[in-house]
Formats: sequence, structure tokens, C-alpha cells
Amino acid sequence: GQQLNQSPQSMFIQEGEDVSMNCTSSSIFNTWLWYKQDPGEGPVLLIALYKAGELTSNGRLTAQFGITRKDSFLNISASIPSDVGIYFCAGHETGGGADGLTFGKGTHLIIQP
Amino acid sequence: DSGVTQTPKHLITATGQRVTLRCSPRSGDLSVYWYQQSLDQGLQFLIQYYNGEERAKGNILERFSAQQFPDLHSELNLSSLELGDSALYFCASSLSGGNTIYFGEGSWLTVV
Repeated sequence: GQQLNQSPQSMFIQEGEDVSMNCTSSSIFNTWLWYKQDPGEGPVLLIALYKAGELTSNGRLTAQFGITRKDSFLNISASIPSDVGIYFCAGHETGGGADGLTFGKGTHLIIQP
Repeated sequence: DSGVTQTPKHLITATGQRVTLRCSPRSGDLSVYWYQQSLDQGLQFLIQYYNGEERAKGNILERFSAQQFPDLHSELNLSSLELGDSALYFCASSLSGGNTIYFGEGSWLTVV
């Protein structure tokens, strides 16, 4: 199956810092999704991107669909303690079914007070 | 609240046993997906149903099976359970075979 490289694997930051994470794929995607998962909970959809070059914000979160359609990034500004969790990117190939929705392995965000 | 409901939330059972996990999709969603998440593992796609029919199959073991009923709820059946089956099982749903899926809160399965 397709591979999504999500980086970094983990981040240790101070409260108030900005965060940036990204995903790259070996193939062209027509959708990029970003999810956040808290411990013991299901992933919650943060941002969905459907067009190359699209830049979308959700509060302090901003995500972009790369022009090449093979990458996406998520930025979090002015991090707060509740931002702690695991962030997953997911990409959907053109014409793919659910098995075309590939998930990255996640970025663990840890915020030190 | 995503609107996807899963039961039970937690389940402890012995090796060799069989369990059934239940999922109610968001109102209006026709597609249901099942994912497995183990410690140190990402989300592994198991299977998708669309309006009662199997649509796509991922890394689902032969000991596992699923179905989607006419009222669109779905069940995942896990049999001959092994210790390695201990994981968080998620159900997700979407309107069609669409690109945006919404996850339930998961069912924690512990096999002892």
C-alpha cells in the first residue's frame, strides 16, 4: 500500500511555542485530512483539504495542501496544554476507496509547562 | 461528539473467546469503516461497508468478520481471540465512500 511519512515522530515544546508538522507521500493525493487523538479517545477531524495549494485555518491551526499534491503541513500557533495529543495526517488517492485513505504514524505532541 | 457511537467502550475477555463490537454511524452516513489501533501501531484499516455491501478490505484477519445491517449499523465479530488482538477498535463513517470520515470513540478490547 501507499506510504505516508509523517514527521516529526514526537515534539517536546514549551507552552506558547508554535508547532509545525508535515506529511509526504510517494503518490498524488486528492484529499488531505488532519486528525487529533487524545489518549483513549477516537481521532477527531481537525482540518480537511481538497485542493492543491489550499490553505485552511481552524482557530490556531493552519493546514496546507501542497502544490505537488504529495505533501501537507499542519501548524499550531501559540500552543496550549490542551494541544497535547497525537496528530495524524491522512491522505486519499484519486479513485481510491477507504483503503486509499492512508494514515501517517502520527506526531506525538508533548508540551512542557 | 462525532455522532458515531460504539459499544462496548471496554471489554475484557479470555483467549479463544468471541466478541462482537457494535457501531452506529452518523445520521445519514452510508459508509462504515473499521480500524484497529494497537500500542505503537498506527491506524490499521480493516474493512469498509457501503449501504450494506462490503466495499473494501484491508488487513483483516480471517478470524474477524463484519457486516452492515439494513438500518446501517455495523458489527465487527472477532473470534478465537489471541493476546495480540488486544487493541483499540474504531468505527468510522462517512456520507458515501467519500474522503472525510468521522471516528467513534473506540472499543478497548483486552484479551487475557
